[in-house]
Amino acid sequence: KQEVTQIPAALSVPEGENLVLNCSFTDSAIYNLQWFRQDPGKGLTSLLLIQSSQREQTSGRLNASLDKSSGRSTLYIAASQPGDSATYLCAVGSSNDYKLSFGAGTTVTVRA
Amino acid sequence: NAGVTQTPKFQVLKTGQSMTLQCAQDMNHEYMSWYRQDPGMGLRLIHYSVGAGITDQGEVPNGYNVSRSTTEDFPLRLLSAAPSQTSVYFCASTINRRNTEAFFGQGTRLTVV
Repeated sequence: KQEVTQIPAALSVPEGENLVLNCSFTDSAIYNLQWFRQDPGKGLTSLLLIQSSQREQTSGRLNASLDKSSGRSTLYIAASQPGDSATYLCAVGSSNDYKLSFGAGTTVTVRA
Repeated sequence: NAGVTQTPKFQVLKTGQSMTLQCAQDMNHEYMSWYRQDPGMGLRLIHYSVGAGITDQGEVPNGYNVSRSTTEDFPLRLLSAAPSQTSVYFCASTINRRNTEAFFGQGTRLTVV
């Protein structure tokens, strides 16, 4: 059974600092990995999708890397802003049954 | 651009009552799924469907039923609500079951008293 872990559970940084969010998974037989943002009381918004054959994906200030062999993905957010405050979840798609396994998320607070 | 629409947004039920959570998508996606989100835990898969007429159980299916009579709709039924079913429920869809980008609804916050 795929286990997905996100550490730390919470993070508080001053505005302008770069954010580094970690996601680790136990089974390297993955189809893809997706990073989501969740605002309080809201649904999940997809940020980046990395296919298993890719090493990284970029969108604006966001960059996600994937190392399948070590079971790790990292989401970098450059020059953080208060509007980046949210919970960030990673989800791993299995190449065996194509189901998504989610981490519990990292809650980020960016202080103005 | 409706995407995935869930209703209701909030619901309070008494133990033993039944209800249906509605989910509709307008993207012609084959694959739809229901998750529950509990504090400190990742989303857990309840049921999923790979197309109209085809459903299957996920990780935590007990106490829930689903059906998929059309591509667009995927309702989740609680047969006899229990306090352990207090949670936030999310419906999601993807183009097909091979987990291309997943789109989520806004969630239904359910409290069972």
